[in-house]
Amino acid sequence: AQSVTQPDIHITVSEGASLELRCNYSYGATPYLFWYVQSPGQGLQLLLKYFSGDTLVQGIKGFEAEFKRSQSSFNLRKPSVHWSDAAEYFCAVGAGNNDMRFGAGTRLTVKP
Amino acid sequence: SQTIHQWPATLVQPVGSPLSLECTVEGTSNPNLYWYRQAAGRGLQLLFYSVGIGQISSEVPQNLSASRPQDRQFILSSKKLLLSDSGFYLCAWDRSLLRPQGEQFFGPGTRLTVL
Repeated sequence: AQSVTQPDIHITVSEGASLELRCNYSYGATPYLFWYVQSPGQGLQLLLKYFSGDTLVQGIKGFEAEFKRSQSSFNLRKPSVHWSDAAEYFCAVGAGNNDMRFGAGTRLTVKP
Repeated sequence: SQTIHQWPATLVQPVGSPLSLECTVEGTSNPNLYWYRQAAGRGLQLLFYSVGIGQISSEVPQNLSASRPQDRQFILSSKKLLLSDSGFYLCAWDRSLLRPQGEQFFGPGTRLTVL
């Protein structure tokens, strides 16, 4: 079965600084990759997804992620973080059979 | 457009009491439905999923159960709650028969505290 690792439990960045959240997956075939964001006490909202094609995908709220097969990674990036980006971020991998595995999440704190 | 509802939003229950959490989806038919639990500081743990009425698959053995009495209704239950059942419960849906795999859409969640 597929699995996901988010190595960073908690990241703090200053407002306006760039952001990169790491995600590594394990899966034998081409994975379906997702990034979700969760504000405190809320459900999860999809930021972006990768199925095939261009390995750099654009999402909502100015986020992008790059699929690197050689590194089994799907890192999330944003060039300039806003205070409203403070939330928990989850990477997920699907195997195409309704089986979605989520990482443990990375909590983002934004300093003013 | 599709929407997903969960209720109650918050719940405080004593140990040993029963539980019923409800999830309903609007604006789509024959969805796949999922129950996840999110413990404090942890990721999402898949508890149950359903591909159709009366069809339930359990991922983790526990004192919880799930039922799908209608196409767009998914219920999470317990006869006797444990302290360890505390957490944030999320319902999600995705489109069945969609290839490649589509994203899951999440409800607002239910915060359950067992005392």
